[in-house]
Amino acid sequence: GENVEQHPSTLSVQEGDSAVIKCTYSDSASNYFPWYKQELGKRPQLIIDIRSNVGEKKDQRIAVTLNKTAKHFSLHITETQPEDSAVYFCAALFGNEKLTFGTGTRLTIIP
Amino acid sequence: DAGVTQSPTHLIKTRGQQVTLRCSPKSGHDTVSWYQQALGQGPQFIFQYYEEEERQRGNFPDRFSGHQFPNYSSELNVNALLLGDSALYLCASSLDVSGSYNEQFFGPGTRLTVL
Repeated sequence: GENVEQHPSTLSVQEGDSAVIKCTYSDSASNYFPWYKQELGKRPQLIIDIRSNVGEKKDQRIAVTLNKTAKHFSLHITETQPEDSAVYFCAALFGNEKLTFGTGTRLTIIP
Repeated sequence: DAGVTQSPTHLIKTRGQQVTLRCSPKSGHDTVSWYQQALGQGPQFIFQYYEEEERQRGNFPDRFSGHQFPNYSSELNVNALLLGDSALYLCASSLDVSGSYNEQFFGPGTRLTVL
């Protein structure tokens, strides 16, 4: 079935250090993998996405890597800041319409 | 240019009742997806509407139904409410482009509490 696993569920890093969140997916036909940031009481917001025809994408302090063979993708945040504290969700697209989300990672940046 | 809007913001119902939630997509978007987000969980796909028809459905019972209007706005209806239906209901809109997938923009959500 369609499944996305996300690890870790919680992550605390010192301000300025890097944070890495990892996800695996079940359907090798998936071709779109977005990452969302959700602050408390707010809507999920897309922070970066990657399509299956590339292996890495970077946007300032945020990068995503994709390994289609292993069916896993990762979010990397460098030089973390307090405002990076939030819950992060990975997702994978199944069947061109259905986004399946991971269970989320609560990231806490320690000042 | 308004983003995705949802109403109401909060709603309290009792078991067995019925509820209707509303969503207006971002200007220029024609596709609406609905998600249920339980506390501490990721959003779960309920269904997607395009051209006024349900195009894809997740693992939700028939108590969950929807509608899309000619102006692309959408409603989510839930009948015979259960305590477990308490959640944040998110609407997301996108533009359907043949052969491609476009970003889904989320609305602020409706917080439903079933007592």
